[in-house]
Amino acid sequence: DTGVSQDPRHKITKRGQNVTFRCDPISEHNRLYWYRQTLGQGPEFLTYFQNEAQLEKSRLLSDRFSAERPKGSFSTLEIQRTEQGDSAMYLCASSSPAGRGPHEQYFGPGTRLTVT
Amino acid sequence: RKEVEQDPGPFNVPEGATVAFNCTYSNSASQSFFWYRQDCRKEPKLLMSVYSSGNEDGRFTAQLNRASQYISLLIRDSKLSDSATYLCAVNMSPLSGGYNKLIFGAGTRLAVHP
Repeated sequence: DTGVSQDPRHKITKRGQNVTFRCDPISEHNRLYWYRQTLGQGPEFLTYFQNEAQLEKSRLLSDRFSAERPKGSFSTLEIQRTEQGDSAMYLCASSSPAGRGPHEQYFGPGTRLTVT
Repeated sequence: RKEVEQDPGPFNVPEGATVAFNCTYSNSASQSFFWYRQDCRKEPKLLMSVYSSGNEDGRFTAQLNRASQYISLLIRDSKLSDSATYLCAVNMSPLSGGYNKLIFGAGTRLAVHP
């Protein structure tokens, strides 16, 4: 399978705990995105990497959220001191600047976070 | 006003029907447009990009109207398997910023029944 992969697929945590999610983009895709989706809404942009550089962050990304892509391949999203409002599906997507659809983003299966 | 708006539906249609969804966007600097399909509790899957001249992929036709700032998706000969939520997404031009993120509508639910 050469698609975007995410791990874990599900995470249940208690309020106040830290969680970390991983995303492996499609091979050779240099652009990686994180989104958050809650029930009944479309995905909301969180942050964007081009290679290892984090080039854009949403105001939704509070100080408790941090994302990295240290070697320009996989990325991690960490949420510190989780709150119940963080419960959502966290989606990762990747894209390539080349090809017919230079900005077509392909999504991974997501990590569903439940904060109790 | 939301940046991207869609009728939430649901659209309940019989098999074989033709159904059309519209999606309006507020920022005239929007440059790229997409339709995604999302099944319940799954990730969005890219259905098609929307080109200025309109484009067709089998039973699916997408069109862009820049003057009125909307995109549309037409599904012909609906199948039971078309039942899903259809999300539209727009990407801004580099000059206005936000070039690298997609802004999604909340989606339109389609239910195709026998």
